[in-house]
Amino acid sequence: GAVVSQHPSWVICKSGTSVKIECRSLDFQATTMFWYRQFPKQSLMLMATSNEGSKATYEQGVEKDKFLINHASLTLSTLTVTSAHPEDSSFYICSARADRLWGYTFGSGTRLTVV
Amino acid sequence: KNEVEQSPQNLTAQEGEFITINCSYSVGISALHWLQQHPGGGIVSLFMLSSGKKKHGRLIATINIQEKHSSLHITASHPRDSAVYICAVTGNQFYFGTGTSLTVIP
Repeated sequence: GAVVSQHPSWVICKSGTSVKIECRSLDFQATTMFWYRQFPKQSLMLMATSNEGSKATYEQGVEKDKFLINHASLTLSTLTVTSAHPEDSSFYICSARADRLWGYTFGSGTRLTVV
Repeated sequence: KNEVEQSPQNLTAQEGEFITINCSYSVGISALHWLQQHPGGGIVSLFMLSSGKKKHGRLIATINIQEKHSSLHITASHPRDSAVYICAVTGNQFYFGTGTSLTVIP
């Protein structure tokens, strides 16, 4: 089946630094990838949709300059949290859909802690 | 008001019980998804529905487009089914329910 690999699983960083999270589709080409964040005890919130070779579409209220998304190939999308603040601490998860597939496959998530 | 409402929020069941989780939505959709999130955070897509009913093992998902309602059923529940179950719909955008936390007690 379709597998999405997300790295790292967890990361701790200092305030002001940047963190990159990778999401790779291992056995299919993901024309579209989605990035979500989840706060404790809350459901997923879609942050942005990335399409290979074009600019990401951000949801209302998500700062595009803070959360940089790059989808340069059909198998890799990255989310970079720039100038991280403690309030950016959250669980980030990606999902992907290939045109030929019915459903969505999710990465295992990245728990970011900014200290 | 949320576009996707789930009930119940929390559910505790004895092993072997039949479980139903409900989802109602208020927007036009192209598909409805049931997701399972385990304590570690990883998410598994269980079903994607646009009509009717789907079954996978002990899991059954139904959708009534006219009533804008879906149910997820788990037959013969097991402790390993303990997780958060999330209903999500896709239309013009994604909308997620707040999840149902299920605990199955041996």
